[in-house]
Amino acid sequence: DQQVKQNSPSLSVQEGRISILNCDYTNSMFDYFLWYKKYPAEGPTFLISISSIKDKNEDGRFTVFLNKSAKHLSLHIVPSQPGDSAVYFCAALNTGTASKLTFGTGTRLQVTL
Amino acid sequence: GAVVSQHPSWVICKSGTSVKIECRSLDFQATTMFWYRQFPKQSLMLMATSNEGSKATYEQGVEKDKFLINHASLTLSTLTVTSAHPEDSSFYICSAATGGASGNQPQHFGDGTRLSIL
Repeated sequence: DQQVKQNSPSLSVQEGRISILNCDYTNSMFDYFLWYKKYPAEGPTFLISISSIKDKNEDGRFTVFLNKSAKHLSLHIVPSQPGDSAVYFCAALNTGTASKLTFGTGTRLQVTL
Repeated sequence: GAVVSQHPSWVICKSGTSVKIECRSLDFQATTMFWYRQFPKQSLMLMATSNEGSKATYEQGVEKDKFLINHASLTLSTLTVTSAHPEDSSFYICSAATGGASGNQPQHFGDGTRLSIL
């Protein structure tokens, strides 16, 4: 049972344009969401997070939007840069429990010149 | 800050060997450490959660006797894959957090260990 889903396994975006990565979840108990970036043979690196009491959080070129009613969140990267090419995982947790992260399957972003 | 070091980064060994993987938080004290496993093109799957000084909590389907976890100090957790077999070949990643990894304190990940059992 995949509680966090990233339905697009890959995405290609031109440098300078906006990258939009999507994530859907099924567990309504999740109240905190995170995005991680991962390069091959490395561990994930935390990017940005959002609490369920918010619908938007912005940090530099990265903005995460949360639509609780749709159980959907998205990560916007603008402008996209070649160094952004990596696999992006969204993750969710219920802060009231043992704080276990549940990861999506990842989206591979390729930013082209 | 918040650096997690994982060692070794790559292990190749014969079937039946036991392999120990170390996870260290270098500049902070990690109350909780997590061990994940990732199969190719799949998500990271949580294997177990360990709190310093207590027994690890294993996820359903993870064999406790197969994957031994020790969290003896606030900066070190180890995962030992006992009597490893080819099906144990995978990418193992640890993460560390203070205070149980609440949303305000994201988990910090090591670079992972690629385990290949021949």
